[in-house]
Amino acid sequence: DIQMTQSPSTLSASVGDRVTIPCRASQSISSWLAWYQQKPGKAPKLLMYKASSLESGVPSRFSGSGSGTEFTLTISSLQPDDFATYYCQQYNSYPWTFGQGTKVEIK
Amino acid sequence: QITLKESGLTVVKPTQTLTLTCTFSGFSLSTNGVGVGWIRQPPGKALEWLALIYWNDDKRYSPSLRSRLTITKDTSKNQVVLTMTNMDPVDSATYYCAHRPVAGSWLDFWGQGTLVTVSS
Repeated sequence: DIQMTQSPSTLSASVGDRVTIPCRASQSISSWLAWYQQKPGKAPKLLMYKASSLESGVPSRFSGSGSGTEFTLTISSLQPDDFATYYCQQYNSYPWTFGQGTKVEIK
Repeated sequence: QITLKESGLTVVKPTQTLTLTCTFSGFSLSTNGVGVGWIRQPPGKALEWLALIYWNDDKRYSPSLRSRLTITKDTSKNQVVLTMTNMDPVDSATYYCAHRPVAGSWLDFWGQGTLVTVSS
């Protein structure tokens, strides 16, 4: 199985900050990576796919980068609605696997 | 507009079999490339992918749970069913179904989830 590592598990930031959330794959997954945002008690919401493609309706302050084993989700200017947990997911091979998540909390 | 909704028993006893149904609208599971997957999330923990079924009835499972899982579809009813045998308290989690689009293997629409508790 491909292991997805997200560190840190918690990230403290303020409104307006530029935030980068890393994700590392245990082996190369090319660009077969998605990012999801999850708020408490809610289902995950797709933000990015193919590492850097923005899902329709997602604000442009979100961007994704990386390929191979190193990936990053960036929020250019953190908004109050962005405080949530973010998960990366690889779909290069089965079984699909998720990272452990990075919670973005208010500093 | 794509929607999905999970249903099934919310409390099961250890060793029992869990049956969950995903009822969806806004797409057809007979469309080339489409799939429906199941993902679970124990309270306070990360997401775990369980299984996926494709339009052509191709099925994929998590190897760690493969012996306990069965995924099926009823295209005419717009439903996907997941069964998990020999339930244990560690299987207590919110179970989600989600849509896999034609364009690729991400999950773009999710159900609201259903919390399953395994307890005697």
